[in-house]
Amino acid sequence: AQSVTQLGSHVSVSEGALVLLRCNYSSSVPPYLFWYVQYPNQGLQLLLKYTSAATLVKGINGFEAEFKKSETSFHLTKPSAHMSDAAEYFCAVLYSGAGSYQLTFGKGTKLSVIP
Amino acid sequence: NAGVTQTPKFQVLKTGQSMTLQCAQDMNHNSMYWYRQDPGMGLRLIYYSASEGTTDKGEVPNGYNVSRLNKREFSLRLESAAPSQTSVYFCASSETGAGANVLTFGAGSRLTVL
Repeated sequence: AQSVTQLGSHVSVSEGALVLLRCNYSSSVPPYLFWYVQYPNQGLQLLLKYTSAATLVKGINGFEAEFKKSETSFHLTKPSAHMSDAAEYFCAVLYSGAGSYQLTFGKGTKLSVIP
Repeated sequence: NAGVTQTPKFQVLKTGQSMTLQCAQDMNHNSMYWYRQDPGMGLRLIYYSASEGTTDKGEVPNGYNVSRLNKREFSLRLESAAPSQTSVYFCASSETGAGANVLTFGAGSRLTVL
């Protein structure tokens, strides 16, 4: 089974600073990878996804992620944090089993933005 | 608005009581899922339904049952609730297929078992 590791359960950055949220996956084949965001008291929303096209993927709200096969990583970045970015972020990897496809989620990283 | 609708949003149960969480989607998606979210644990898959008429166990199915009533609806039942089932439950749906497997989530159902 594939797994996803998010380094850091809680990350704090100052408003305007770089946001870097780390995600590593285990996979023996090129995976599909996703970042989801969860705002307080809401469900998860898709930020971006990697599906073996360009290795640098741009998402909503100025976020992007780079797929690095050699490092089995898919880190999420944003050049300048905004207060509205405060949320919990989940990395996920897609795997197939029993004739269907399922997502495995990381444990999440809660991002705080300090004014 | 199109999307995934879950009911109820909040529920408090006593140990041993039963209840059903309802989920409906209006996007004509084939696949539906039930996840639970616990602090520090991320989302864990309870059950999923790849298509109408099929259901399969996920990572943490014990203590739960599901019914794929039709293409739109996928319910989760707790037959005898336990405090360990206190959690936030999310229903999600997606089209079938790897590249298309972007999940659309409901807003969640917060369950407390006393």
